[in-house]
Amino acid sequence: DIQVTQSPSSLSASVGDRVTISCRTSQTIGTYLNWYQQKPGKAPNLLIFAASNLPSGVPSKFSGSGSGTDFTLTISSLQPEDSATYYCQQCYSAPYSFGQGTKLEIK
Amino acid sequence: QVTLRESGPPLVKPTQTLTLTCTFSGFSLNTKRMCVSWIRQSPGRALEWLARIDWDDDKDYSTSLKTRLTISKDTSKNQVVLTMTNMDPLDTGTYYCARTSIYASNGYYLSYFDYWGQGTLVTVSS
Repeated sequence: DIQVTQSPSSLSASVGDRVTISCRTSQTIGTYLNWYQQKPGKAPNLLIFAASNLPSGVPSKFSGSGSGTDFTLTISSLQPEDSATYYCQQCYSAPYSFGQGTKLEIK
Repeated sequence: QVTLRESGPPLVKPTQTLTLTCTFSGFSLNTKRMCVSWIRQSPGRALEWLARIDWDDDKDYSTSLKTRLTISKDTSKNQVVLTMTNMDPLDTGTYYCARTSIYASNGYYLSYFDYWGQGTLVTVSS
């Protein structure tokens, strides 16, 4: 099974800042990686698929990069509504594992 | 408009079997490259992928839970059913079903969860 590790587990940033969240997989997966945003009490929402592709409706302040085993989610121009937990997920092979999540707090 | 809704008992006893139903609309599991997955989340914990069923009836399961899980579909009813045997208090959590779409580009096929149900909370307790 592919293990997925995110860092940091939590971070705090100010309105207007740019933050990056990292995701590492235990084996190379090309660009078979997705990112999700989850707000408290809600289901997750797809942010990025195939490492760097934005679904329609997702603001361009979200961007993803990386391939192989190392991936990054970048969120620019932070706003209070970006406060959430962010998860990466490998879709290279079953079981389709998630990272442990990164909780983002907006100061 | 794509919607998914999970249903099932909110409370089960240890050792019992849990049966969850995902009822969806706005897409068909007869359509190529359409799938439905089940994902759960224990209180305050990360997301855990459980199982997936594809348009062609292919199935995949979590390695650690595969002996306890069965996923099936009824395309005439637009439903996917997940059963989990021998429930334990550690199985307490919110269970989500999610439409799983397969993105295809130049021989490259990748899946993602693009629509989710609201989740159903299952508590395992005697």
